[in-house]
Amino acid sequence: SAVISQKPSRDICQRGTSLTIQCQVDSQVTMMFWYRQQPGQSLTLIATANQGSEATYESGFVIDKFPISRPNLTFSTLTVSNMSPEDSSIYLCSVANLPGLGLDEQYFGPGTRLTVT
Amino acid sequence: EDKVVQSPLSLVVHEGDTVTLNCSYEVTNFRSLLWYKQEKKAPTFLFMLTSSGIEKKSGRLSSILDKKELFSILNITATQTGDSAIYLCAVARDNYGQNFVFGPGTRLSVLP
Repeated sequence: SAVISQKPSRDICQRGTSLTIQCQVDSQVTMMFWYRQQPGQSLTLIATANQGSEATYESGFVIDKFPISRPNLTFSTLTVSNMSPEDSSIYLCSVANLPGLGLDEQYFGPGTRLTVT
Repeated sequence: EDKVVQSPLSLVVHEGDTVTLNCSYEVTNFRSLLWYKQEKKAPTFLFMLTSSGIEKKSGRLSSILDKKELFSILNITATQTGDSAIYLCAVARDNYGQNFVFGPGTRLSVLP
């Protein structure tokens, strides 16, 4: 598998501000994803972070609200912009297509718990 | 619309019991089905299933997929309190690149 870290692990932010979440992997990975898990809900895929090109967003998520960077194969950031209380969630990055493992075996970072007041 | 359904949504058992968690799906371009265990924040990978009828096993956990009936089960035998968690089922779709749809999860509580 891979060792994945996220920063910050949690934050409390005021509405209208933005927060950037970092995801660092200990090895080069081709596939990296960002998920949101709202309170009491399951995981919802926000976007696939593509190295060297724009992220691929799922229906209901847009780049202006959730800009994503992927400057190399070990690092990505997700920004939650102009936050409102509805953005309070756990945000998770994940990786897949690791060498020697099944294509779809995903491994998740520890998550960032965001509370917007 | 593609969807993944899990049942039951919540389950309370006592240590030593055996439990069966269910996952059914309706998705286009199915590629694989995955099970995860989520205790705090990060889900941890349990199984990936791609072929019908082949059981995957890891210790007290096992899982099998039926691609004709579009469902999978996750069995846990001799449950322990450490098995208490949310168990998530997800389906990988063969669209552009990779794409995953998660079910709502089953919250399992194992009482001593």
